[in-house]
Formats: sequence, C-alpha cells, structure tokens
Amino acid sequence: GAVVSQHPSWVICKSGTSVKIECRSLDFQATTMFWYRQFPKQSLMLMATSNEGSKATYEQGVEKDKFLINHASLTLSTLTVTSAHPEDSSFYICSAARPQRGNYEQYFGPGTRLTVT
Amino acid sequence: AQTVTQSQPEMSVQEAETVTLSCTYDTSESDYYLFWYKQPPSRQMILVIRQEAYKQQNATENRFSVNFQKAAKSFSLKISDSQLGDAAMYFCAYRTNTDKLIFGTGTRLQVFP
Repeated sequence: GAVVSQHPSWVICKSGTSVKIECRSLDFQATTMFWYRQFPKQSLMLMATSNEGSKATYEQGVEKDKFLINHASLTLSTLTVTSAHPEDSSFYICSAARPQRGNYEQYFGPGTRLTVT
Repeated sequence: AQTVTQSQPEMSVQEAETVTLSCTYDTSESDYYLFWYKQPPSRQMILVIRQEAYKQQNATENRFSVNFQKAAKSFSLKISDSQLGDAAMYFCAYRTNTDKLIFGTGTRLQVFP
C-alpha cells in the first residue's frame, strides 16, 4: 500500500504555455500533499503545501501565480506551471501524507521531468 | 530556521563492507523527526529509516542503522554489508513541527564489487 503516482512522468512544452502535473494517492486518502522541485544534482526544495479544500501554502520565494496548486479531492493534487519559461525546467516531485499510528508518513511520487523549450 | 547539513558529497564502499554517512542539523525544537531517504537513478524517493527525537534508542532497519546524538544534533546512517543495490543518492531530512521536510544536500554513495 501507500502508492503515489504522478502524471505525466515527463513533459516537454514550449515557452509561454502552461502545463499541468497530477499527483494521486492511489490507495489512501491524503488531506495534505507537498510539492517539491529538484534541479540536477541538487536536493529537494519544498515549493508548497497543499491541503484538501483550502488554498495551498507557498514557501518563501515561490510565485503562487506561476505555480498554481489545486487539491480538489483527498486523492488528487495538481500543479500547473503557467507561462512556462526555460528556467522552470526541472524535476517536480509530490508527496502525500498518510496517517499512520497516530502520526503520518510522507510517500513520494516518482516525479515529473519538465523541459521548457 | 532549521537547517540540515551533509558534509560528504560523495562516498564509496566495497561490497559487503560498512559505510557511514554523516548528517548534522540545527533546530530549536525539542520534538521532531529525522529521516534518511534513498534516491536511486530512477529518482523515486525511498524512505530508508526514521528516528523520533524523543526516543533515545537508535533506529534500525535490517542493514541500516542510525547513530542519533541529540545533544550534538548529529544523525548518521550506517549501512552494513553494503550491496550493489545500495548505490544511490542519500538525503538526510528533518521534519518540522509544521510537517515540512527539510532536506540536506545529499551524499552520492558508490558501491564497488
């Protein structure tokens, strides 16, 4: 159990267009999901925390109008990169929080590689 | 603000030997969680081991164990009987009391036959 999927696994888009990335918890309900960004050979940086039914909380320096996050159900969160530019090219990873033994555990999706040309 | 530091960009170990990856962190919180994650070439993040700060006993998971020194804010990972499949990037992570994960810069582990 505790499987998190992301779609697409990779996407190429043209500069100026928007692209949507989906994150799904397949076998559990997640009230909280997280979105990370990872540049080549670097660590994961938290972009935002997504709570079902409410607005996402963005980390300092992350443009909320550029990276739109929607968490419409307990199993789905989406990240839309609007007006994409080449510098937005990166690896985007989501995680979903699964309640476990009075606590919770974060389970990660396989990531989405975004290339903006 | 919390920070996580991994001072070893790369480490190597021979198959069947033991290797220790270092991690230090800084926090003013008294209760928190620490994690080691493995990221193989597939980029899928895999939880290796978890430590709860209020527990004095070091966590172990089969060949993986930690040396948690709370006063020194140190959290090292020991991999025993290293296997070729252990080759990956290893990230140390701290979970804040607002449930955010803060990652270190990672250590690339190479395993030689």
